Amino acid sequence: QKEVEQNSGPLSVPEGAIASLNCTYSDRVSQSFFWYRQYSGKSPELIMSIYSNGDKEDGRFTAQLNKASQYVSLLIRDSQPSDSATYLCAVNKVKAAGNKLTFGGGTRVLVKP
Amino acid sequence: KAGVTQTPRYLIKTRGQQVTLSCSPISGHRSVSWYQQTPGQGLQFLFEYFSETQRNKGNFPGRFSGRQFSNSRSEMNVSTLELGDSALYLCASSLPPLRDRGNEQFFGPGTRLTVL
Repeated sequence: QKEVEQNSGPLSVPEGAIASLNCTYSDRVSQSFFWYRQYSGKSPELIMSIYSNGDKEDGRFTAQLNKASQYVSLLIRDSQPSDSATYLCAVNKVKAAGNKLTFGGGTRVLVKP
Repeated sequence: KAGVTQTPRYLIKTRGQQVTLSCSPISGHRSVSWYQQTPGQGLQFLFEYFSETQRNKGNFPGRFSGRQFSNSRSEMNVSTLELGDSALYLCASSLPPLRDRGNEQFFGPGTRLTVL
């Protein structure tokens, strides 16, 4: 079992709709969770961080964390063609000293006009 | 505030050679992590440096090494290059982890290494 799992997609979403991305992780000691967006040929860009159970909203993005179910999700509201990218879920096991991210394989999102 | 910078952006090397990549973190960030990204394996952690000390290391052979300088700039070195080392090498900087959680990491543009 991979430490961080994501559906590879592609997730095809009509423009203006909600894109829902899911991520599960295997290690219960994980404490910090991040979503990165990566355009083709570019480096990952941090879009959301979440540390506590519940929802966190930032603009059109909402991250949801459920530590009991070891599940973190990302919602993109009013999806735009510019949201077409690969979204990477990353987990930091803070019990180990330092910053060490374990990434999922990414979900490719396609927003169709 | 300037972002993370990496040099060079592109490199072409042949098998058996060695390579050194450089990373300058965001001003004020003292933690620098290195990652390798390939189509087959995705993004994998190489190592992290903080205050010139390697604090974490991923599952890569000893051919991969790094160091950090007193100004927080970091370099990574790959010796005896193999074809499989062709990848995008990413550097990320962050503030030190907080007491109860890791901290946000910000990536540089990466160095694309091609080994022929």
